[in-house]
Amino acid sequence: EDKVVQSPLSLVVHEGDTVTLNCSYEVTNFRSLLWYKQEKKAPTFLFMLTSSGIEKKSGRLSSILDKKELFSILNITATQTGDSAVYLCAVGSGGSNYKLTFGKGTLLTVNP
Amino acid sequence: GAVVSQHPSRVICKSGTSVKIECRSLDFQATTMFWYRQFPKKSLMLMATSNEGSKATYEQGVEKDKFLINHASLTLSTLTVTSAHPEDSSFYICSAEGSVWDEQFFGPGTRLTVL
Repeated sequence: EDKVVQSPLSLVVHEGDTVTLNCSYEVTNFRSLLWYKQEKKAPTFLFMLTSSGIEKKSGRLSSILDKKELFSILNITATQTGDSAVYLCAVGSGGSNYKLTFGKGTLLTVNP
Repeated sequence: GAVVSQHPSRVICKSGTSVKIECRSLDFQATTMFWYRQFPKKSLMLMATSNEGSKATYEQGVEKDKFLINHASLTLSTLTVTSAHPEDSSFYICSAEGSVWDEQFFGPGTRLTVL
């Protein structure tokens, strides 16, 4: 059974701090790893990673994938209160029957 | 671009009734759409994969006769919860596969409450 494990499950920081969120996985026929941010409604797409060792960056957020060790990290620098959300890691797997398996998420709370 | 809508955003119904939820890709065509269910403080669980013009593929443990999926066009998939019961109360989210391989865009979700 495909498995995606995120850590920590929750995290409380102060504005300006840097955070690192972790995602490890065990899936059959890995295709991609995706990060999403979920506030009150549905997840919004952040990054998709398919190649090992290549960092994806968008503003204060960045992510990298290690396919050998089967994990990814999401970094957020200079955190702001608006970064408070659940961050979901999902792994895409399968051939013709492609699907996403989600981790339980990391609840990030950024206090002013 | 890549906007997905869902309707309704919230529905309350009596036990035993059926509820239809629509998922639309507004500015792109989606051959494949996915339906997820999310319980409070839990992650998204894939229910089924919906392919335009063919039968949906259901995940293990999901009753296909209870959760009817129709993907009649490249921009619309519907999920009908038949004979709903209180245990079906949940947050249902659809996603549509974009033009980039494996990229999925999510709708805003539908909160179903069955009394």
